[in-house]
Amino acid sequence: DIQMTQSPSSLSASVGDRVTITCRASQSINSHLNWYQQKPGRAPKLLIYIASSLQSGVPSRFSGSGTGTDFTLTISSLQPEDFATYYCQQSYSNPLTFGGGTKVEVK
Amino acid sequence: QVQLQESGPRLVKPPQTLSLGCTVSDDSINSGNYYWSWIRQPPGKGLEWIGYIYYSGSTYYNPSLKSRVTISIDTSKNHFSLKLGSVTAADTAVYYCARGQVIGSAFDYWGQGTLVTVSS
Repeated sequence: DIQMTQSPSSLSASVGDRVTITCRASQSINSHLNWYQQKPGRAPKLLIYIASSLQSGVPSRFSGSGTGTDFTLTISSLQPEDFATYYCQQSYSNPLTFGGGTKVEVK
Repeated sequence: QVQLQESGPRLVKPPQTLSLGCTVSDDSINSGNYYWSWIRQPPGKGLEWIGYIYYSGSTYYNPSLKSRVTISIDTSKNHFSLKLGSVTAADTAVYYCARGQVIGSAFDYWGQGTLVTVSS
């Protein structure tokens, strides 16, 4: 199985901050990396697919980059509705696997 | 936009079988562009992919659960199902059904999730 490691596991930030979350795969996954946002009691929501493609309806302050084993999700200017947990997911090979999550909290 | 809705018992006794269904609101279940997955999340923990089924009926299961999992599909009813046998307390989780894009394998639509508790 491909292991996905996210860092940090949590971070504190303020509205307006630039936030970067990292995801590392245990082997190369090319660009087969997706990012999700999850709020408490809600299902995950797709933000970014194939490493850098913005899902329809997702604000442009979200962006993704990377290839191979190292990927980042960036929120250019954190908004109040962005406080949530973020997960990466590799879609390179079965079984599909998720990172452990990064919780973005209010500073 | 497509909607997915889980259904099934919220309480299951060990070592019985957990059975859940997912109804899809549109005809995309008949499309070769998507596959249909089950994903679970134990309380306070991360996401675990259980497996998927294609409209043709072909399946792939997470090896960690493969011996206990069956996913089936009824395209005439826009419905697919999950059965997980020999459950224990470790199977207590929120279970989500989700639509996956064949290209990119991202889960673009999810059900709201249903908490299934395994307890005697």
